[in-house]
Amino acid sequence: EVQLVESGGGLVQPGRSLRLSCTTSGFNLGDYTMNWVRQAPGKGLEWVGFIRKKLHGGTPEYAASVRGRFTISTDDSKGIAYLQMNSLKTEDTALYYCSRDLQWNMDVWGKGTAVTVSS
Amino acid sequence: QTVVTQEPSLTVSPGGTVTLTCASSSGAVTSGSYPNWFQQKPGQAPRPLIYSTNNRHSWTPARFSGSLLGGKAALTLSGVQPEDEADYYCLLYYDSGQPWVFGGGTKLTVL
Repeated sequence: EVQLVESGGGLVQPGRSLRLSCTTSGFNLGDYTMNWVRQAPGKGLEWVGFIRKKLHGGTPEYAASVRGRFTISTDDSKGIAYLQMNSLKTEDTALYYCSRDLQWNMDVWGKGTAVTVSS
Repeated sequence: QTVVTQEPSLTVSPGGTVTLTCASSSGAVTSGSYPNWFQQKPGQAPRPLIYSTNNRHSWTPARFSGSLLGGKAALTLSGVQPEDEADYYCLLYYDSGQPWVFGGGTKLTVL
């Protein structure tokens, strides 16, 4: 069964760091571009960033709101995608989802992991 | 920064038909925007419905259809069911600048 499971969320103080993981199963992570999407409480979906599959260079892209603070990476051998979040702000408080993407088709999503940035 | 605009809310009667639209501030939405549509119910993750304008996933009921309409992406629900009450989000791709941008979402009420 194809599955994505996010983990690593929690309560963190402003300015601190947190690393989220997206553990995949049922498919080869290296064949897909992996996205991170977030949803602040009561708000809509916001694309955070993606990392292209190795065949397309393995390079990341980010939303302007997180560029320079967040970094996406993958460990294809472990089937895990990561979202390293530095210099966290209160406005980064959200439920963070990962999704896989094959040719502009985000077809599988995890259930999300909650991040709260507060002092 | 590109803005993607959806109707904030729509109401439809059971058995009726409704069309949700998705517009881009950078111009007409085309097939090269690879429009995706998602359904989200309270407390649940987004559920993919449509990709690349008009392709249903294997789990997407046939009453959901995607298209391009008047320079916008569109999602049409025909024969609406009570369980279709949800938030719907479109997602557009841009080949310069930020690659993906979500619309603000449409809250669909079935009444």
